[in-house]
Amino acid sequence: DVKVTQSSRYLVKRTGEKVFLECVQDMDHENMFWYRQDPGLGLRLIYFSYDVKMKEKGDIPEGYSVSREKKERFSLILESASTNQTSMYLCASSSGQGSSYEQYFGPGTRLTVT
Amino acid sequence: GQSLEQPSEVTAVEGAIVQINCTYQTSGFYGLSWYQQHDGGAPTFLSYNALDGLEETGRFSSFLSRSDSYGYLLLQELQMKDSASYFCAVGRDDKIIFGKGTRLHILP
Repeated sequence: DVKVTQSSRYLVKRTGEKVFLECVQDMDHENMFWYRQDPGLGLRLIYFSYDVKMKEKGDIPEGYSVSREKKERFSLILESASTNQTSMYLCASSSGQGSSYEQYFGPGTRLTVT
Repeated sequence: GQSLEQPSEVTAVEGAIVQINCTYQTSGFYGLSWYQQHDGGAPTFLSYNALDGLEETGRFSSFLSRSDSYGYLLLQELQMKDSASYFCAVGRDDKIIFGKGTRLHILP
């Protein structure tokens, strides 16, 4: 079974702090994704990556950056956290080109910025 | 750009059949997929339609009409455990765009 893990289930940070969210997958998937999920807005794509050291902006990249130094790990970085970044963050992975319709999600990190 | 429309909520009775519709507007469309998410859980993949027609997986079926930019998820013999949110998603350029989700309420 594919397993996608995220570093924390719950996180509380202060405004202005730098925040790192880590995601690791164990199925050698090429593609990895970061989403945020807010009530009534569904899942919105922040950034994604097709391969190591590659990254692409999603629909809402402002205020975020990512890092993919190893194939299995994809990190989301909030350079200076703000209250409007309070949300559920979901990481996902999928295999190969053209297969991203079947994504495997991690359990999510609920981030609260105070 | 792309957008997907699905009802925000649907209510059905245990043992019955329910259909959740999804209409989309997108360029470079590759296919329509469906995900289920229980409260507090992660989305899990249910089905994918690349071509027109019906795909059946147990109690769940998914349909796509590319000419109508329309699809639906059909759930049969509803069980209480089917209470969840259901998201349609369109595939494009190796990423997928999710709809806002339909909350399915099941009455005993």
